[in-house]
Amino acid sequence: GESVGLHLPTLSVQEGDNSIINCAYSNSASDYFIWYKQESGKGPQFIIDIRSNMDKRQGQRVTVLLNKTVKHLSLQIAATQPGDSAVYFCAEKTSYDKVIFGPGTSLSVIP
Amino acid sequence: GAGVSQSPSNKVTEKGKDVELRCDPISGHTALYWYRQSLGQGLEFLIYFQGNSAPDKSGLPSDRFSAERTGGSVSTLTIQRTQQEDSAVYLCASSLARAGTEAFFGQGTRLTVV
Repeated sequence: GESVGLHLPTLSVQEGDNSIINCAYSNSASDYFIWYKQESGKGPQFIIDIRSNMDKRQGQRVTVLLNKTVKHLSLQIAATQPGDSAVYFCAEKTSYDKVIFGPGTSLSVIP
Repeated sequence: GAGVSQSPSNKVTEKGKDVELRCDPISGHTALYWYRQSLGQGLEFLIYFQGNSAPDKSGLPSDRFSAERTGGSVSTLTIQRTQQEDSAVYLCASSLARAGTEAFFGQGTRLTVV
């Protein structure tokens, strides 16, 4: 099947610090880039998306940055909380096609 | 229901048996996806249904895997002659429109082949 990662990289941050999770994508033709959060034992949950014609989008405590030149996407979480501990997946999508997930990153928040 | 419902939540089967996994998407969602997730790994795309269009089956790993979506709603993923490497969590998701980026996931079916 299409894409996904092998071993999940892990990011550990202190509670209250900012977190930055990075992702490299492959398809220059993607129209949307999306971040999902997956808590243990649950299905992934949508966090935020960004259109390919934007380079930054902010949500509640989260900011997504898109650099199309180097095909890089990042998710910034401000004032990280214990409830943010989860696996984070980037995903990409063309308008009328399927969502393809990239490798996940496990975020661990240290109280 | 309010969300995507998958059944069963857990399934243990003997190698060589066939299994059927069910997904009830959110009412009105035209797009439906199946993904597979092995322990500690990412989401592997399996199949994508969009309205009345022919499904995108490009992610199905072998001809033992098939899926149907009846009446544009409920979907069934069938795995024939299960193998131990089929053990994984099978996740179903649905979204509202063809261009929709927010896919709503079910809790998944944990399949164990012994």
